[in-house]
Amino acid sequence: GDSVTQMEGPVTLSEEAFLTINCTYTATGYPSLFWYVQYPGEGLQLLLKATKADDKGSNKGFEATYRKETTSFHLEKGSVQVSDSAVYFCALSSQGGKLIFGQGTELSVKP
Amino acid sequence: GAVVSQHPSRVICKSGTSVKIECRSLDFQATTMFWYRQFPKQSLMLMATSNEGSKATYEQGVEKDKFLINHASLTLSTLTVTSAHPEDSSFYICSARADVTLHFGNGTRLTVT
Repeated sequence: GDSVTQMEGPVTLSEEAFLTINCTYTATGYPSLFWYVQYPGEGLQLLLKATKADDKGSNKGFEATYRKETTSFHLEKGSVQVSDSAVYFCALSSQGGKLIFGQGTELSVKP
Repeated sequence: GAVVSQHPSRVICKSGTSVKIECRSLDFQATTMFWYRQFPKQSLMLMATSNEGSKATYEQGVEKDKFLINHASLTLSTLTVTSAHPEDSSFYICSARADVTLHFGNGTRLTVT
C-alpha cells in the first residue's frame, strides 16, 4: 500500500542554519504531496503542496519539489528561525482522498 | 482560506462517560471529513472517513460502536467517544477537504480519568 517515510528526528539546528528534512514515498498512480506543520498543542497546518511531478511548493521560505524519478519530496529552508521549531509531517493523498502521513520530524531551532 | 473549527479544544471526563467532539467547516462545504487520532510523539492515525448523509467508513481496528461518527450536514461532523476509558485519552484531530487539500482543525485533547 501507499506509504511515506521521513527522516527521523529530532533535528536540532542553530538559527539561520540550512534545513533539509527528507521524505520519500511509495504510491500507486500520481498522488499529490504535502508538507504539514504542527506546533505544540495544535492541529496541523498546511505548509506547502505539489500536485504533479516537477512541481515546486513553497511557503514562508520553505520549499519542496515533487521528484517522481526518486519518489521524493524533501523539505528545505535556507535559513531557519527559532519560530520554525515544530513537528513537520510529509503526506500523500491516497485513494478516496485519505492522507497518508509520515511519522513526523521534530525540528528544534536554537538561538 | 478554508477554515476547520474543532470544539472543544480540551476535555476531561470520567471513565464510563461519553464525550462529543464537533468539527465544522466554516467557509466551505465538506461532503467528506476525516477523523484522526494522535498519540504523543507519534504520527496521525486515520480512524474513519465521515460521509455526509451516510455511514462512516472505519479503518481496520477502530471500534465503530465506541467511536460514533455522525455527519448530518455539509459543514458538521461529530465524533462521540462512548463509555470512555483512560486508554482513549489522546489527541483527536478532524479534517475536511477543500479542493485537493485537507484542512485540519486544531484538535481536541481528551483526558479520561
